[in-house]
Amino acid sequence: KAGVTQTPRYLIKTRGQQVTLSCSPISGHRSVSWYQQTPGQGLQFLFEYFSETQRNKGNFPGRFSGRQFSNSRSEMNVSTLELGDSALYLCASVRDGGSYNEQFFGPGTRLTVL
Amino acid sequence: AQTVTQSQPEMSVQEAETVTLSCTYDTSESDYYLFWYKQPPSRQMILVIRQEAYKQQNATENRFSVNFQKAAKSFSLKISDSQLGDAAMYFCAYRSAPRGGADGLTFGKGTHLIIQP
Repeated sequence: KAGVTQTPRYLIKTRGQQVTLSCSPISGHRSVSWYQQTPGQGLQFLFEYFSETQRNKGNFPGRFSGRQFSNSRSEMNVSTLELGDSALYLCASVRDGGSYNEQFFGPGTRLTVL
Repeated sequence: AQTVTQSQPEMSVQEAETVTLSCTYDTSESDYYLFWYKQPPSRQMILVIRQEAYKQQNATENRFSVNFQKAAKSFSLKISDSQLGDAAMYFCAYRSAPRGGADGLTFGKGTHLIIQP
């Protein structure tokens, strides 16, 4: 079974631009979560989607948004990029979204904002 | 809000020895789940072991085991017979149970584990 895939793997943008990252969960998984990883703040929860609905969102500004499609693929968008948005963005999928269920992580998208 | 603290930024152990990574957390909830994740240089997060708060028995997965002390809010990871492939960042994580998975994982800052050959 294929794992979680994230595209692109690397991205370079300039301040003020916007970016869209994509995540394809494991086949059959209906929940997708997004995390931001930076050296200073560590791993922080962005949001979770289940069956196309955002169920929860972390403490991030409105510039960060996301959505999930009917095939469970998810995208996250960051508008008006800032230097501090440079990070590794990880997505994770879970079969049915239960708290105890293992979250399978993708390899991440490395975003650099210049 | 829940917090997770890993007080050891870096640990070093000889190959084949045993090492324990510490994790404490703060929560007012009684029902939750705890996890240890491993992140090797490839950046791929891998689940190592997980524990349900209502279970008193400590979880074990091969060479990995935890010491879960609910009253002390402590969740340490013991790695026995350390192998070179165990070298990685290890993250302790917390997840609330009541909302059925809507909350994300709360991670600690991580412990960098070095295995000396």
